[in-house]
Amino acid sequence: GAVVSQHPSWVICKSGTSVKIECRSLDFQATTMFWYRQFPKQSLMLMATSNEGSKATYEQGVEKDKFLINHASLTLSTLTVTSAHPEDSSFYICSAGRTGRDQPQHFGDGTRLSIL
Amino acid sequence: AQSVAQPEDQVNVAEGNPLTVKCTYSVSGNPYLFWYVQYPNRGLQFLLKYITGDNLVKGSYGFEAEFNKSQTSFHLKKPSALVSDSALYFCAVSPRASKIIFGSGTRLSIQP
Repeated sequence: GAVVSQHPSWVICKSGTSVKIECRSLDFQATTMFWYRQFPKQSLMLMATSNEGSKATYEQGVEKDKFLINHASLTLSTLTVTSAHPEDSSFYICSAGRTGRDQPQHFGDGTRLSIL
Repeated sequence: AQSVAQPEDQVNVAEGNPLTVKCTYSVSGNPYLFWYVQYPNRGLQFLLKYITGDNLVKGSYGFEAEFNKSQTSFHLKKPSALVSDSALYFCAVSPRASKIIFGSGTRLSIQP
């Protein structure tokens, strides 16, 4: 089955630091990847849709300058949390899927970000 | 508006008993429906999907789901629950390409 790798799995850093999270599709090409944020005991909140070779599409209320997304190739998308603060602490998950509305998404294992 | 509802935050079932996790949807057009499972500190894993055809869909780990158009439901079921089935389950709908909407999730707890 399709595999999506997300790295790192856990980050602890000081307030003001920028953190980069990588999402790779290992065995298929993904023109579109998704970035989600999940709060404890809650559902996934779609933050943005990452499009290969073009700008990401952000959901309403998500700061573009805060959460920088780059989708430089068909197998790699990155999310950079710039100047992170404690309120940015969360579980971030990426997903990718083959083209087509009927295709399931394949998820990375998530990144737990803790800002001190 | 497109939406997915999971009315139960938590479902408790004794091991060996059948389980049902409920999901209802509201979409225009033909719904593409999915179930995913999430284990602690992990991403989501795909369980099964309904696109068209037979209303009873079989998926991974012995799970199945029944699509009911008149009730706009897509409940997840398993005939005999295992302790290892304890996890967070998400129903999802894909209203269009490159878009997926998740339900709020249901925590399934299987007691030995």
